[in-house]
Amino acid sequence: VIWMTQSPSLLSASTGDRVTISCRMSQGISSYLAWYQQKPGKAPELLIYAASTLQSGVPSRFSGSGSGTDFTLTISCLQSEDFATYYCQQYYSFPFTFGPGTKVDIK
Amino acid sequence: EVQLVESGGGVVRPGGSLRLSCAASGFTFDDYGMSWVRQAPGKGLEWVSGINWNGGSTGYADSVKGRFTISRDNAKNSLYLQMNSLRAEDTALYHCARRAGGIYGMDVWGQGTTVTVSS
Repeated sequence: VIWMTQSPSLLSASTGDRVTISCRMSQGISSYLAWYQQKPGKAPELLIYAASTLQSGVPSRFSGSGSGTDFTLTISCLQSEDFATYYCQQYYSFPFTFGPGTKVDIK
Repeated sequence: EVQLVESGGGVVRPGGSLRLSCAASGFTFDDYGMSWVRQAPGKGLEWVSGINWNGGSTGYADSVKGRFTISRDNAKNSLYLQMNSLRAEDTALYHCARRAGGIYGMDVWGQGTTVTVSS
């Protein structure tokens, strides 16, 4: 089983801020990593796949980087609609696992 | 419209069984692998199980291995999750999601069906 850590677990930020969320794997996964955004009461939405490829329709202020064991999601200029919880997920091998999540809330 | 609709959730006693279904529409179902993902109240996402396009490869979280079985019927555009020996900790909202395989993430999700395990 590939274990994942995400940091921070809670991030307080203001509109316009640049925010960064990190995800670390217990073993290398090449670039088989996705990032999801979830808002309360809603299903998750795919933001980034293959570590750095933006899903169609996702604003360009979102970006992803990394490979192997260390990955980062960056929101370049936080908008009001970005306050949500973010999860990383590895799909390198079964069982696919999610990180514990990072909640981005209003400072 | 591309859509996934889950059904089959409900209230069940510990030790009981349920079968969840996920009906797919608007896309070629057998082009995609599928997964079940759950979320307990107030908790994060937990990947439960996945299956490849033809059912030839399946995987399970350690927490459900030996109790849950994933399957699919491509002729009916449907995904299933047979859940046996249910425990209180299986209480959650269960989503199905599709993934094209390879480098792609889970790009379409259903709204979920709720499973409550309680005596």
